[in-house]
Amino acid sequence: QQQVKQSPQSLIVQKGGIPIINCAYENTAFDYFPWYQQFPGKGPALLIAIRPDVSEKKEGRFTISFNKSAKQFSLHIMDSQPGDSATYFCAAVYNDMRFGAGTRLTVKP
Amino acid sequence: AAGVIQSPRHLIKEKRETATLKCYPIPRHDTVYWYQQGPGQDPQFLISFYEKMQSDKGSIPDRFSAQQFSDYHSELNMSSLELGDSALYFCASSIRRTGGTDTQYFGPGTRLTVL
Repeated sequence: QQQVKQSPQSLIVQKGGIPIINCAYENTAFDYFPWYQQFPGKGPALLIAIRPDVSEKKEGRFTISFNKSAKQFSLHIMDSQPGDSATYFCAAVYNDMRFGAGTRLTVKP
Repeated sequence: AAGVIQSPRHLIKEKRETATLKCYPIPRHDTVYWYQQGPGQDPQFLISFYEKMQSDKGSIPDRFSAQQFSDYHSELNMSSLELGDSALYFCASSIRRTGGTDTQYFGPGTRLTVL
């Protein structure tokens, strides 16, 4: 059973577009929410992370929006580039880390 | 900056054989995690160690065991291998912070193929 629900499963945008990936969780014990980017055959790489006492965090072109009451958080990628094409995983942490199912993002030139 | 090192990067075994995967955490990291990732799936947490003691246990089969050594490297031992064990195995490491949640940094993975 997926403790972190992630959508969409796949996403295609044009270069310069703003893909948005959404995640939701149930366990209010989770206290840390990282996003990982994974290229085929490579290990997940930490992209950006947020704690529940913050509603938004921005690092470069990546922004996390966090809604604690709704138990939802999302990743926005500004000015997306073909090099951003990868699988993105949201995760939630309390002792151990639970991943969402992943979103395969394709950015077309 | 130094990253997590995993060896071997690729491993091919026959059914019912055993395999040992190794993980060398980022220097000064005291916690190691093991994950299994099947094709097109998200990483599944297997087990973690903090200061050489088992910290948390996830969906690790009884045929698998792991330990963390005095130099903080960890080994995942897999016995009686089955075809379904074919997957990418990732190790991640972190620094345990008092009152905080640890950011995990992943290694490049070991691709295990069971024939």
